[in-house]
Amino acid sequence: KNEVEQSPQNLTAQEGEFITINCSYSVGISALHWLQQHPGGGIVSLFMLSSGKKKHGRLIATINIQEKHSSLHITASHPRDSAVYICAVNFGNEKLTFGTGTRLTIIP
Amino acid sequence: EAGVAQSPRYKIIEKRQSVAFWCNPISGHATLYWYQQILGQGPKLLIQFQNNGVVDDSQLPKDRFSAERLKGVDSTLKIQPAKLEDSAVYLCASSVMAGWTEAFFGQGTRLTVV
Repeated sequence: KNEVEQSPQNLTAQEGEFITINCSYSVGISALHWLQQHPGGGIVSLFMLSSGKKKHGRLIATINIQEKHSSLHITASHPRDSAVYICAVNFGNEKLTFGTGTRLTIIP
Repeated sequence: EAGVAQSPRYKIIEKRQSVAFWCNPISGHATLYWYQQILGQGPKLLIQFQNNGVVDDSQLPKDRFSAERLKGVDSTLKIQPAKLEDSAVYLCASSVMAGWTEAFFGQGTRLTVV
């Protein structure tokens, strides 16, 4: 069964802390996406990965294909980073399978 | 580049009423997706169009939900009649081609059924 699991479900941290959100999946994939969803509901694509590591500003995404695991890191976290972060995976077909998301709250 | 446009942003209806959502994808994107996201859950695919043809509607509750994409551009999703459990955010997304080379989502429509 194609599954995506995220952890933690909820994360609260102080401004400036280093944040890590994890995503594990059950079988081989063609691509993994990290998405950001703000309270209004809109979703923004942050990264698409099939191997290695990508960095954009304070955001870093890594993927380990052998371990079927990806992490999203936020350095020097800020209250505006507060959002739901969703991991979504292509299991080699045209569908995206979504994790349930990690709700991140950064306290000033 | 204009993003994926959805309307309305919010809708409140009573159960057994009908409702329709509209989506205008990014120009040139052949693939259009409708997702349902219930509070606390990840998005669930309802239907996927390739141009104006349906690729996957296996999770669409066809007794009450319908969707169309006339002329392969805009799309509408309809619920008739609505149930309480249909309360969710309905997200539209588009991509250049099937296979999710990159994800482009609209802002979503938050539906509340009372």
